[in-house]
Amino acid sequence: RKEVEQDPGPFNVPEGATVAFNCTYSNSASQSFFWYRQDCRKEPKLLMSVYSSGNEDGRFTAQLNRASQYISLLIRDSKLSDSATYLCVVNRGAAGNKLTFGGGTRVLVKP
Amino acid sequence: EPEVTQTPSHQVTQMGQEVILRCVPISNHLYFYWYRQILGQKVEFLVSFYNNEISEKSEIFDDQFSVERPDGSNFTLKIRSTKLEDSAMYFCASSARGLAGALNTGELFFGEGSRLTVL
Repeated sequence: RKEVEQDPGPFNVPEGATVAFNCTYSNSASQSFFWYRQDCRKEPKLLMSVYSSGNEDGRFTAQLNRASQYISLLIRDSKLSDSATYLCVVNRGAAGNKLTFGGGTRVLVKP
Repeated sequence: EPEVTQTPSHQVTQMGQEVILRCVPISNHLYFYWYRQILGQKVEFLVSFYNNEISEKSEIFDDQFSVERPDGSNFTLKIRSTKLEDSAMYFCASSARGLAGALNTGELFFGEGSRLTVL
């Protein structure tokens, strides 16, 4: 089983609509969870951390379900500029100084 | 805004040649990393570096790879004898704090990458 698994998409989203997608992780010891954004042929950039109680950052909402080992990202009122690949990222808990990236979910927002 | 810089942006090399990719991490960061991304695939961890030594490395990071911090600012990745399958985008990253545990911000600052093409 992959450490971090995502639906590759693409999710084709009309501008202004809401889109949501999940990611599952296999390591129950993971303690920190993040969504990164990667534009085509660019470097990944941190979008937001994911907290146990769920959290919002503007139009973005992240949720964590530890029991089922998945995290989710919801984007409201999609903008054309939200078109990107969204990378689910987890650490390995107390052991190891690295982040593990999922393969990414591609989102295409269309007018 | 501070940023991680990488050189070269693109390097083409013949199989079997040595390659050195250079990075200047953000100046007050203490943790340094190399990741790679083969075209169309996921971002893969290669190595993390702290306090002048490797803190963790992946299976990809075999004897053909090495890292060095030759001075107070540069962080290099060397591939001794390149293979075709080493063709990828190599990202250097740095962080102010370590990434273990639950209290880290998870923010890796990536450079724009060095695209390596092995012929």
